[in-house]
Amino acid sequence: NAGVTQTPKFQVLKTGQSMTLQCAQDMNHEYMSWYRQDPGMGLRLIHYSVGAGITDQGEVPNGYNVSRSTTEDFPLRLLSAAPSQTSVYFCASSQAGRGEQYFGPGTRLTVT
Amino acid sequence: KQEVTQIPAALSVPEGENLVLNCSFTDSAIYNLQWFRQDPGKGLTSLLLIQSSQREQTSGRLNASLDKSSGRSTLYIAASQPGDSATYLCASFYQGGKLIFGQGTELSVKP
Repeated sequence: NAGVTQTPKFQVLKTGQSMTLQCAQDMNHEYMSWYRQDPGMGLRLIHYSVGAGITDQGEVPNGYNVSRSTTEDFPLRLLSAAPSQTSVYFCASSQAGRGEQYFGPGTRLTVT
Repeated sequence: KQEVTQIPAALSVPEGENLVLNCSFTDSAIYNLQWFRQDPGKGLTSLLLIQSSQREQTSGRLNASLDKSSGRSTLYIAASQPGDSATYLCASFYQGGKLIFGQGTELSVKP
């Protein structure tokens, strides 16, 4: 199993550009989620999903969109990038209910 | 609001000491609580997972406890080593798929 994969590893955007961060898992996990981590801070929940076709907002959803058309994939879209979105983004998955969380390696995004 | 708090924010100890990291959560209706380790510039490594029905979990020199009634968890590290230096994060998992993180404790173990 590859576990949770994220692409790209690094990305530089200009203000106003759009892009999609990819997240995929091959463990047939129902739950998937996106987090951002800023310097000196813990991880903050952006969006999460409990299954294909179901998504919900976390603590910091503004400026981000998600959709979940398959169990395996959970892409995060930045509609119009802003410097405040410079961060490291982590994707995670787990089995429904009481499962352990598995994290991807992260995407380091810089918006200039 | 569901919040997780970790105390202290930073801790420096000499090698060989036993130490305790604290985590508190405001909503006791958790499914589980997980402790992670994060090295600078790296991703998250899972250390221990405690289900809501459990009181503690052990892995090597690590022991994590959970007290739902008081909204607290502790991570005990025995005989600390310089290689234990990292940021330690706790996260509480709730119904509906929400995982809420604390801000972490940055641990430095001096040789």
